[in-house]
This record gives sequence, C-alpha cells and structure tokens, in this order.
Amino acid sequence: QKEVEQDPGPLSVPEGAIVSLNCTYSNSAFQYFMWYRQYSRKGPELLMYTYSSGNKEDGRFTAQVDKSSKYISLFIRDSQPSDSATYLCAMIPYGQNFVFGPGTRLSVLP
Amino acid sequence: DVKVTQSSRYLVKRTGEKVFLECVQDMDHENMFWYRQDPGLGLRLIYFSYDVKMKEKGDIPEGYSVSREKKERFSLILESASTNQTSMYLCASSTGGGVGEKLFFGSGTQLSVL
Repeated sequence: QKEVEQDPGPLSVPEGAIVSLNCTYSNSAFQYFMWYRQYSRKGPELLMYTYSSGNKEDGRFTAQVDKSSKYISLFIRDSQPSDSATYLCAMIPYGQNFVFGPGTRLSVLP
Repeated sequence: DVKVTQSSRYLVKRTGEKVFLECVQDMDHENMFWYRQDPGLGLRLIYFSYDVKMKEKGDIPEGYSVSREKKERFSLILESASTNQTSMYLCASSTGGGVGEKLFFGSGTQLSVL
C-alpha cells in the first residue's frame, strides 16, 4: 500500500461545478498537509496549507483534513476553466521529507 | 514571494553527456531538493540538502550527484546522461524547521536525452 493514495483522474466537470479532490494516507505521523496546483509543463505551486483537522478556506478553495480517518480533501467552488490543472496533495511528518500523492488531473469545461 | 529559479526550461542532450541543472532560490532557505516527475510515477526525490556543502540521498539517487557550494544554489549533475533520465526535473526549497514547513518549486526543466 502506498503511503498516499490519490485518484489520478482525469476528472472533467462543467464550469461552475463544485469540485472535490481527495487523498487518503496511511501514516498517522503526518502532521502537515498541503495542496499544490500544477499547470501543464510548469512546477507545482502551493495552493493550500493546513496542519490540523477541520476546514480552511481561501476564496473559492476549501481544504479539509480528517486525521481520524486519514483523509484530506480540496473543494473548489464555482470552478473555472483556469482551474484546469493537476492537483497534488502533499504531507509531511515532523522532521522528515515531504510525501506526495500522484496527482489528480482536472479539466473544467467552459 | 519565494522565487526558485531553474536555469533552463528545456534541454536536449545526447547519451553519455555530462549535464548540469542549476537552481537558485532567493529566500535564504536552508533546505533544497531535487525531484524528478514522470507520468504515472509522480514526484520522486533524487537528492536534498539541509545546509551548504551537505547532501543526502533521496529515493532515486543512482546516476545523479549534487553540489551545494552556496546556500542559495543547488545543482544537479547527471554524470553520463542516459535515455531513462529523460524527465521533468523540479528543484524546490523549503522553510525548514519542521513546524509549518512549506515547500516551494521552480518551474521545472524538461530534459530529453537522445
């Protein structure tokens, strides 16, 4: 079993839809959780960062962490064609290196 | 904003050539990393460094070496390029310190070895 599981997609949604992206993990030592957005042929950019269970909101994006279930989510409200990208979840146990999910490719259709 | 700059966006090299990939960060970060990214395999850590002149092997160091002579600069070296090293290479730096650590990436170098 991989440390971090993520559905690779592709996921296609119409413009304006609510998008839900998810990762599950197996290592209970993970303490900090991130979501990165990666456009085609570009480096990943940090989108959201959380370190506790619960929700964190930033504009149209909401990151959710459920440590008891070892499950994290990223919600995108009112999705736009410019949100079309690959979304990577990442997590880190204290004092160790980052662990990444394989990424979910999202297409938002106009 | 943190800026991580990779010297080349695209590189084409021949098998057996020595290849240098350069990376510079401007935020005085202690930690720097080299990843490669391949379809279906995700991000894989090649080497990392927590300090000047210090380096640690990641998950896939074979065929690579690194150099960190200055805090802001971290170079990846392919001693003798091979076709299976064709990939997207991503440099990153992080704030370090464990608590609240965040990782910032460069734009990537797409390397093709012919």
